[in-house]
Amino acid sequence: GEDVEQSLFLSVREGDSSVINCTYTDSSSTYLYWYKQEPGAGLQLLTYIFSNMDMKQDQRLTVLLNKKDKHLSLRIADTQTGDSAIYFCAEIGPNSGYALNFGKGTSLLVTP
Amino acid sequence: GAVVSQHPSRVICKSGTSVKIECRSLDFQATTMFWYRQFPKQSLMLMATSNEGSKATYEQGVEKDKFLINHASLTLSTLTVTSAHPEDSSFYICSARDPRTTPRGPNTEAFFGQGTRLTVV
Repeated sequence: GEDVEQSLFLSVREGDSSVINCTYTDSSSTYLYWYKQEPGAGLQLLTYIFSNMDMKQDQRLTVLLNKKDKHLSLRIADTQTGDSAIYFCAEIGPNSGYALNFGKGTSLLVTP
Repeated sequence: GAVVSQHPSRVICKSGTSVKIECRSLDFQATTMFWYRQFPKQSLMLMATSNEGSKATYEQGVEKDKFLINHASLTLSTLTVTSAHPEDSSFYICSARDPRTTPRGPNTEAFFGQGTRLTVV
C-alpha cells in the first residue's frame, strides 16, 4: 500500500512541547488520525482532523494539516512523562473499506 | 467511547499448532472489523477486513488459508492462525467501527482491541 511517513524517534524534556510530523500520500484522504500506543497495549485515538480543516486544538494537543504538502503534525504542549509512547498517524486507506493506513510510528521519550 | 475487547492478550504456542484470537465489540454491533499485524518497531499492517455473514477480504500477500477469519455474529470476529510457525510471532490487533457514530462514509474513530501478543516456539 501507500506509505505514510513519520520520523521514528523524538526525545523531549518534561514541560517542553513535542512536535511529531507525518507525511501522507493519498490526496483523497478525508480523515487523518493520531493514535497513541503505550508499551504492550492497543491503540488509543488521540485526535483526528477532517481534510477541510487546517488546524484542530484539543486541550494540550494541536493538529496542523497542510493539505498541499500532505503534511500533518501533532503538537503536545507541556509534555509529561506519561506522554511517553509511540504515536501513529493514519489515513483512511484508499481501497480498504475504511480501514486505516498507518505510519511506522514515532517513539516519544519524555525525560524529567 | 465504544469498547472492543480482544482475547487472549498473550499466548504462547508450539510450532505447528493453531491459535484462535477473539475480537468482541462489547456495546455496539460491528458489521465490519479489521485485523492488523504489528512487527516490533513497525507499523500496523492491515491483514484483512472481516465482514459479518460473508467472507473476509484479505490484503495482498496475506494467506487466507493460514489466517482464518470468521465473523459469525455482529459482535464477534475470530482470527485463527493455523499451523503456526515462529515467523508468525507478532502482535495482532483488531478494530471495529461503531456504526452509531458513523452511519455513512469513513469512520471518525476505529476502536481498537488491546492486542494479542503471539509467540510461537
